[in-house]
Amino acid sequence: QQQVKQSPQSLIVQKGGISIINCAYENTAFDYFPWYQQFPGKGPALLIAIRPDVSEKKEGRFTISFNKSAKQFSLHIMDSQPGDSATYFCAASRRWGGADGLTFGKGTHLIIQP
Amino acid sequence: KAGVTQTPRYLIKTRGQQVTLSCSPISGHRSVSWYQQTPGQGLQFLFEYFSETQRNKGNFPGRFSGRQFSNSRSEMNVSTLELGDSALYLCASSLAYRGDEKLFFGSGTQLSVL
Repeated sequence: QQQVKQSPQSLIVQKGGISIINCAYENTAFDYFPWYQQFPGKGPALLIAIRPDVSEKKEGRFTISFNKSAKQFSLHIMDSQPGDSATYFCAASRRWGGADGLTFGKGTHLIIQP
Repeated sequence: KAGVTQTPRYLIKTRGQQVTLSCSPISGHRSVSWYQQTPGQGLQFLFEYFSETQRNKGNFPGRFSGRQFSNSRSEMNVSTLELGDSALYLCASSLAYRGDEKLFFGSGTQLSVL
C-alpha cells in the first residue's frame, strides 16, 4: 500500500518558470512533511519541511503548500533554474514516532530547460 | 564536519551470497537509519538504530539485518542475495532520531546482484 502518492513522475519546465510537484498522503497520523532533493550519484538532501499547523512555508524560491483537509501538499519552485534539475521526493512521518522512518513518494524527475 | 560515509561505493555479488555494507554517521549523531532505493519502489525504510538498539524495522524479510556499534557506526547485512536485492542502499544519520529531525544521507552503496 503506497501511503504517499507523488505526481508527476517527470516534469520539464523552462528556465524562469514555476515547477509544481504534488503529493497526497493517506495516514492521518503523519504530521511532518519534508521534501528531499537528490542529484545523480548523491544521497537525498533535505530541502524544506512543513508541519500541519501551517498552510504554507517559504524558503527562498521554494514553497510548500499544505492542505490538511484534502491530505495533500505540494512543492513550488519559483524562477526555476537549470541547477534545480534533480529528482525531488516528498515524504511523511510522525514527529513523535521517529523510529518509524520516513515514508517517501516515488519521486519526480525535474528538468529545467535553459 | 565530515558527512555520512558509506563503504563500499559499489558492490557486485552473485545470487545466494551475502553482503555487508558499512555506514559512518556524522560525528555526534547517535541515530542511523537505512533505506533501500530502487527505480520501481523508490525509497523504502529498512530499519533504524539508536544507541546500539534497533528501534524499528520496515517491511523487509529477515534476510536484511543490521547492527550499530558503540561509536554509532552501523552495518547492514543481506544474506542469501536475490536478484531483486539490486538497489542503492542509503544510510542516514541524525542527532537523536525524532520524526521531524533532519536526516543527513550518505551517497549510498550501489549493490548489483547477478
